[in-house]
Amino acid sequence: EAQVTQNPRYLITVTGKKLTVTCSQNMNHEYMSWYRQDPGLGLRQIYYSMNVEVTDKGDVPEGYKVSRKEKRNFPLILESPSPNQTSLYFCASSAPGTRTYNEQFFGPGTRLTVL
Amino acid sequence: RKEVEQDPGPFNVPEGATVAFNCTYSNSASQSFFWYRQDCRKEPKLLMSVYSSGNEDGRFTAQLNRASQYISLLIRDSKLSDSATYLCVVRGGYSSASKIIFGSGTRLSIRP
Repeated sequence: EAQVTQNPRYLITVTGKKLTVTCSQNMNHEYMSWYRQDPGLGLRQIYYSMNVEVTDKGDVPEGYKVSRKEKRNFPLILESPSPNQTSLYFCASSAPGTRTYNEQFFGPGTRLTVL
Repeated sequence: RKEVEQDPGPFNVPEGATVAFNCTYSNSASQSFFWYRQDCRKEPKLLMSVYSSGNEDGRFTAQLNRASQYISLLIRDSKLSDSATYLCVVRGGYSSASKIIFGSGTRLSIRP
């Protein structure tokens, strides 16, 4: 089954404790992206990656890091989480090429709470 | 001003009604437009792309008005299962590299 998976789905942590949220897709997509969703603000892009070893900042990259060592994986790293990073996080992927590539496939989301 | 703006709703309509919502965008150079559907606490999923000539998919019709910089979504004969949040998505171009902006979403609730 074609899908994007994220882990963990739920996480409660404390300020300053480094964490990683994993994202993996099995559709051989080149483009992957991380979003956070907050009430009233919609989805905001954190980082995106056009391909292996190619990453770039989105609209709200502060406090986050990413890496793209393999095509299928795109982990999101919070080196020193703070309470303002409490949010719902989505990973997404899409394929380049024809117009139909524009569809983004989203993972199920990770609800993060930083105390 | 937000780059993509939607009426947050909620729209509360009876089953069988027709409902429409708009989304305005500020970047006149935007090229690609979409409606995504998001159920409560779930991931967004593509509902339909919005083409210049307008397009229809069953009970759903999407329109694009470039002159006024808005897109619309019309739902006819609404069903209980249409209750969700509808996200307007605008992309700067056709390639994966172009900037993607999501609206905050419009909540729709269909009552029996």
